[in-house]
Amino acid sequence: DQQVKQNSPSLSVQEGRISILNCDYTNSMFDYFLWYKKYPAEGPTFLISISSIKDKNEDGRFTVFLNKSAKHLSLHIVPSQPGDSAVYFCAASVDNFNKFYFGSGTKLNVKP
Amino acid sequence: DTGVSQDPRHKITKRGQNVTFRCDPISEHNRLYWYRQTLGQGPEFLTYFQNEAQLEKSRLLSDRFSAERPKGSFSTLEIQRTEQGDSAMYLCASSLGGGLDGYTFGSGTRLTVV
Repeated sequence: DQQVKQNSPSLSVQEGRISILNCDYTNSMFDYFLWYKKYPAEGPTFLISISSIKDKNEDGRFTVFLNKSAKHLSLHIVPSQPGDSAVYFCAASVDNFNKFYFGSGTKLNVKP
Repeated sequence: DTGVSQDPRHKITKRGQNVTFRCDPISEHNRLYWYRQTLGQGPEFLTYFQNEAQLEKSRLLSDRFSAERPKGSFSTLEIQRTEQGDSAMYLCASSLGGGLDGYTFGSGTRLTVV
């Protein structure tokens, strides 16, 4: 059972524009969400997180939005840069933070 | 400390053979995790250690899988009698305390069972 879903396998964006990556979840007990970025031949790298008590968290060019009623979160990257081209995973956890459920990833391609 | 190290990076084995992977976490991290990632999917949780204690195991971890973390430092993941369905990337991660700031993942061990 896929509790975290990323329904867009890929996304292509022009450099300088906004990239919006989406993630849906089914488990209402999830209360902590993270985004990871993964380059080929490397492990995932933590990018940004959000707790369920917030609806927005911002870190430089990256902003994560959480809509609990819709069980939906999104990652906005603005402006997008070619170095942002990678696979992005969203992940969710219940309050023990010991186990994260990952989505299947969205491959972002930022074109120069 | 340069991060989480995994060895080997790649392993090709014949079906039925046993394989063992090693993970060296960041030295001050007390928590260590194993995940498995198959093609086109996100990482799936396998097991988790706090220091030397294995506190949680996924049902994905069949009897053929065993993980250890002696002395709370490095960890090993052994797969006995490998099957083709075991082919995957095996990722190790570590953290200090809970994963509030995310884990630090290693680059993984890619296992191919032929």
